[in-house]
Amino acid sequence: GDSVTQMEGPVTLSEEAFLTINCTYTATGYPSLFWYVQYPGEGLQLLLKATKADDKGSNKGFEATYRKETTSFHLEKGSVQVSDSAVYFCALTVLDYQLIWGAGTKLIIKP
Amino acid sequence: DGGITQSPKYLFRKEGQNVTLSCEQNLNHDAMYWYRQDPGQGLRLIYYSQIVNDFQKGDIAEGYSVSREKKESFPLTVTSAQKNPTAFYLCASSITSGSNEQYFGPGTRLTVT
Repeated sequence: GDSVTQMEGPVTLSEEAFLTINCTYTATGYPSLFWYVQYPGEGLQLLLKATKADDKGSNKGFEATYRKETTSFHLEKGSVQVSDSAVYFCALTVLDYQLIWGAGTKLIIKP
Repeated sequence: DGGITQSPKYLFRKEGQNVTLSCEQNLNHDAMYWYRQDPGQGLRLIYYSQIVNDFQKGDIAEGYSVSREKKESFPLTVTSAQKNPTAFYLCASSITSGSNEQYFGPGTRLTVT
């Protein structure tokens, strides 16, 4: 079945460091891919998405490129801030309503 | 402002009691969803509804019930049959059941003692 695998956390970085959070997927069709972010004690917010191969989603300095050949959608940011500390979820959807979720990666940014 | 509201933010109940969590949206979305999140874990789908007066079980429906009498409302009842009800509950909605993007409420943290 369809699935999403994310790197385990927590990921701890210093402010202004480069961030990569890995996400790979398995899907039988042609999925749309998403990154959601969850700040402490809150619901999830859509961070970015890509709906077809080679698309790049971007928002708030974060980027992810839909790589069909490697079935990946890694999240990157060039210079992280303390305010980026949160849990990041990779997800996919194929033909129907349901989002398939990764387990989430907790990101901790130290000043 | 359009969005999804969940109330209350924190809820405490004694074991053996049923409890109902509220979810309301004014986005005019057709589909609504309930997820459960446990500490350090991802989201698990409890129930979803694609249209008024219709809903389907998700991956972990046992011990939960829902209703969808109005488009904007999708309350979740955690029954006494749910063995481990203490968790963070998230409600979401999307434009249609085939839509990719889901919009989330702020969540309700339920503690049962």
